Amino acid sequence: GDSVTQMEGPVTLSEEAFLTINCTYTATGYPSLFWYVQYPGEGLQLLLKATKADDKGSNKGFEATYRKETTSFHLEKGSVQVSDSAVYFCALHPKGSARQLTFGSGTQLTVLP
Amino acid sequence: DVKVTQSSRYLVKRTGEKVFLECVQDMDHENMFWYRQDPGLGLRLIYFSYDVKMKEKGDIPEGYSVSREKKERFSLILESASTNQTSMYLCASRPWGRDRANNEQFFGPGTRLTVL
Repeated sequence: GDSVTQMEGPVTLSEEAFLTINCTYTATGYPSLFWYVQYPGEGLQLLLKATKADDKGSNKGFEATYRKETTSFHLEKGSVQVSDSAVYFCALHPKGSARQLTFGSGTQLTVLP
Repeated sequence: DVKVTQSSRYLVKRTGEKVFLECVQDMDHENMFWYRQDPGLGLRLIYFSYDVKMKEKGDIPEGYSVSREKKERFSLILESASTNQTSMYLCASRPWGRDRANNEQFFGPGTRLTVL
């Protein structure tokens, strides 16, 4: 079945540090890929997405590139802020499928001033 | 602004009680979902609904049921709550659309349920 594997957290960084959160997936065909973010006390929000190989999703300074050859969708940000502290979830949705999102286990990010 | 609301942010119930978790969306979305979120496990799908009066089991439906009598409302029911159902419950909705794989799901703030 489909699955998503995220790097284990928690991740703690200083403000302005470079962030990478690894995400790899297993799926039949070429799914759509997503990063969701959950700020403290809130539900999940879509951060960015990519729907086909080599697509780059970007939002709020975050980027992720859909790499078919490595089945990966790593999240990056060049300079994190304290306000980026949250839990980040990688997810996939199989193309043409009635099935729903499959989520990774989430990565807790804490950014220190 | 899109909005998904859940009836309670925190709920404490006793083992064996019947529990209702309510979710309402104001976006006229056809699809609605119930997930539970547990540390280290991410989000797991309990049930989803394509449209009014339609429901499908997700990955972990045991011990739960759902009701969708109106388009905007999707209820999760724990018939007899147990301690292993202590968790964060998240509701989400999504428009139907032609390309469902690319449609964003909109989440509510969650209900943290504790079963004693």
